[in-house]
Amino acid sequence: EPEVTQTPSHQVTQMGQEVILRCVPISNHLYFYWYRQILGQKVEFLVSFYNNEISEKSEIFDDQFSVERPDGSNFTLKIRSTKLEDSAMYFCASSTQGGTYNEQFFGPGTRLTVL
Amino acid sequence: GENVEQHPSTLSVQEGDSAVIKCTYSDSASNYFPWYKQELGKGPQLIIDIRSNVGEKKDQRIAVTLNKTAKHFSLHITETQPEDSAVYFCAASGDIYNFNKFYFGSGTKLNVKP
Repeated sequence: EPEVTQTPSHQVTQMGQEVILRCVPISNHLYFYWYRQILGQKVEFLVSFYNNEISEKSEIFDDQFSVERPDGSNFTLKIRSTKLEDSAMYFCASSTQGGTYNEQFFGPGTRLTVL
Repeated sequence: GENVEQHPSTLSVQEGDSAVIKCTYSDSASNYFPWYKQELGKGPQLIIDIRSNVGEKKDQRIAVTLNKTAKHFSLHITETQPEDSAVYFCAASGDIYNFNKFYFGSGTKLNVKP
């Protein structure tokens, strides 16, 4: 069964460093998303992406964050200058289409630890 | 924006018993309510969903009910098995635009004791 994959599973970085989290969505999916979950808190929406551009983003997704689909298979989340509060589990998701009632398939997540 | 509350945060049941997880939402425009199961080391996986035009949906041992008036929805698992042990998340969405943004509950850790 096709699945969303994410690398690395765990990333440790120093405050102020740049990190890139990588995702390979399901191959025929067209819509891509990033969510994050700070330990003990809810899963929060960060950004959605379609047709090579951001379609919606939350207030969390500030100028320190960017997303990119550098080729036909990868979808990346970049944090330019990490802060302690960026420590969280980051989930990538994809779906065949947008709109209501559309199932989003989630990857296993990348645990980001900022020291 | 939408706010989803989920209870309980942990739930321990004996194998064979039923488990019920409840969620409330705040935005009456929300019209799609998926439930995700997350096992250790894995991402959330959809187990059942319900649309706002339906009051109840069942899939084998799993059922979901929706009360739009009260703005709450529940997950029911009957005849629980140890493999049902996981974290369960409810979510709500209903964006009128093309791209769905899910609002998640805080999760329920279900432990099914053999």
